[in-house]
Amino acid sequence: QVQLQESGPGLVKPSETLSLVCTVSGDSISSHFYWGWIRQPPGKGLEWIGIIYHNGVTYYSPSLKSRLSISVDMSENQFSLRLYSVTAADTAIYFCARVMVAGLTGDYWGQGALVTVSS
Amino acid sequence: QSVLTQPASVSGSPGQSITISCTGTNTDVGRYNYVSWYQQHPGKAPKLIIYDVTNRPSGVSGRFSGSKSGNTASLTISRLQADDEGDYYCGSYTSFSSLVFGSGTTVTVL
Repeated sequence: QVQLQESGPGLVKPSETLSLVCTVSGDSISSHFYWGWIRQPPGKGLEWIGIIYHNGVTYYSPSLKSRLSISVDMSENQFSLRLYSVTAADTAIYFCARVMVAGLTGDYWGQGALVTVSS
Repeated sequence: QSVLTQPASVSGSPGQSITISCTGTNTDVGRYNYVSWYQQHPGKAPKLIIYDVTNRPSGVSGRFSGSKSGNTASLTISRLQADDEGDYYCGSYTSFSSLVFGSGTTVTVL
């Protein structure tokens, strides 16, 4: 059974960097899938953030691209999200997911991690 | 790119069928057969229920079915049950090599 688990600080100050790690079990990061991030502001809808393949190829949301970095650590079977220069608008539940190569459908999701941006 | 358009809410009685629409453009829904649907219960992660317009993942009830015509995709829930209450989101691959989600629909079982 594929499982994903997000981890990282739940509180980040404005203008600082949001960092989250997703640990994957039940599958290998080097399998033929992308690994991605999606977020959901409290009470609102889903927003696609971006994806990474194990060879390092990434695709990012155009609206976040200038502040975003996604990386992969094959030795730890993890992938990470870094969002720079955050504001209160970046407060959200952040989900990681395994993503199908064809069509970018997220088939397995983590439980989500709430990150609040506040001083 | 803009989110896909879904009705804010849909309701139905137990045993009835309901349909949720998802309208995009010719750069996403209308261009690719890569529409997915997710069910989300309060406080939980989204769960994939339909992918590639019509396919159901293993373990998902056959009461869920998907279709597409032009720029609009649809999710039909047959024989509505109390546990079907929740939020439903569509998603589509786009010509920008990204995914765009719908605005979300709250399903209420009367």
